[in-house]
Amino acid sequence: KAGVTQTPRYLIKTRGQQVTLSCSPISGHRSVSWYQQTPGQGLQFLFEYFSETQRNKGNFPGRFSGRQFSNSRSEMNVSTLELGDSALYLCASSLIRGRAGNEQFFGPGTRLTVL
Amino acid sequence: AQSVTQPDIHITVSEGASLELRCNYSYGATPYLFWYVQSPGQGLQLLLKYFSGDTLVQGIKGFEAEFKRSQSSFNLRKPSVHWSDAAEYFCAVGSDNFGNEKLTFGTGTRLTIIP
Repeated sequence: KAGVTQTPRYLIKTRGQQVTLSCSPISGHRSVSWYQQTPGQGLQFLFEYFSETQRNKGNFPGRFSGRQFSNSRSEMNVSTLELGDSALYLCASSLIRGRAGNEQFFGPGTRLTVL
Repeated sequence: AQSVTQPDIHITVSEGASLELRCNYSYGATPYLFWYVQSPGQGLQLLLKYFSGDTLVQGIKGFEAEFKRSQSSFNLRKPSVHWSDAAEYFCAVGSDNFGNEKLTFGTGTRLTIIP
């Protein structure tokens, strides 16, 4: 079974631009979560989508948004990019069972550099 | 609020020696605990998880972890490390609320292996 895929793998943008990152979950996984990883802040939860609905959101400004499609693929968008948005953006998918604590499987990430 | 502490930022171990990486968590209810490994430029790979039951859990690549509720710890161990184990290791805690897939990560421990 193919793993989580993320496109593009690398991206360079300038301040003020916007960017869209894409994530395809493992087949059959309906939950997709996004995380930002930076050297200073570590791994931080952005948001989680399940059945096209955002269920949870981390403490990030409204410039960060996302969506999920009916095939469970997800996109996240960052508008008005700032230098501090430079990070590795990781997507994770999980197979939702009838309990909490589902393990998440991560993609390779998209490395975003803002100049 | 849930939190994870990994007190060791960087650990150096000789190849063939034993390894223990420390993880302490803070969570008000039953924690769901995970260890992930990240190689440079890669996403996160799940090593093992604890949901309930036996407090000693076995994972991939010869790793194991022990859950100690009294100490709020979930330390990762390996009896004999290999050069390929050099990577960054993250401990994470998940919510016991069904529908909340958010993971809270520690700051990570970078493992260096010397010949």
